[in-house]
Amino acid sequence: DQQVKQNSPSLSVQEGRISILNCDYTNSMFDYFLWYKKYPAEGPTFLISISSIKDKNEDGRFTVFLNKSAKHLSLHIVPSQPGDSAVYFCAASDSSNTGKLIFGQGTTLQVKP
Amino acid sequence: EAEVAQSPRYKITEKSQAVAFWCDPISGHATLYWYRQILGQGPELLVQFQDESVVDDSQLPKDRFSAERLKGVDSTLKIQPAELGDSAMYLCASSLASSYNEQFFGPGTRLTVL
Repeated sequence: DQQVKQNSPSLSVQEGRISILNCDYTNSMFDYFLWYKKYPAEGPTFLISISSIKDKNEDGRFTVFLNKSAKHLSLHIVPSQPGDSAVYFCAASDSSNTGKLIFGQGTTLQVKP
Repeated sequence: EAEVAQSPRYKITEKSQAVAFWCDPISGHATLYWYRQILGQGPELLVQFQDESVVDDSQLPKDRFSAERLKGVDSTLKIQPAELGDSAMYLCASSLASSYNEQFFGPGTRLTVL
């Protein structure tokens, strides 16, 4: 049972445009959500997080939106840069449990110059 | 900048052999995690430590996998015997606390079982 799903395996955008990566979850107990970026042969790097008491969190070019009623979150990257090309994972946790992260399958983003 | 250290970076072994991976978390991080990532999938938690205690090992195949964090600092993950299906990236992560804290990942160990 996949509790966190990223239904788009890949996304290609032009440099300077917006990249929108989507993530859906099924467990209503999840209350903390994170996005990680991963380059080949490296471990995931934390990008941005949001708690369930918010619906938006912004950090520079990165903004995460949370829609609790739809159990959906998205990561917006504006403007997209070639260096953003990587695999992006969304993750969710239930802080009342052990706080372990449940990851989606990942979306490969390619930003073309 | 503080980082999570892992070794080795790459390991090739034959099935039925024993392998061990080492992780040194960021100093001061009480919570340590071992994940397994199969190509094309997201990381999956194998075991979570709070200091030296295991708080979640529900997904750890205990017939062949073991993990320890004896002094509550560095940790070792062992597989004995290795099977072909164990080929994956093994990632270690640490965080200050278990909830509402981002986890910081090491570079991982790429295991290939022949």
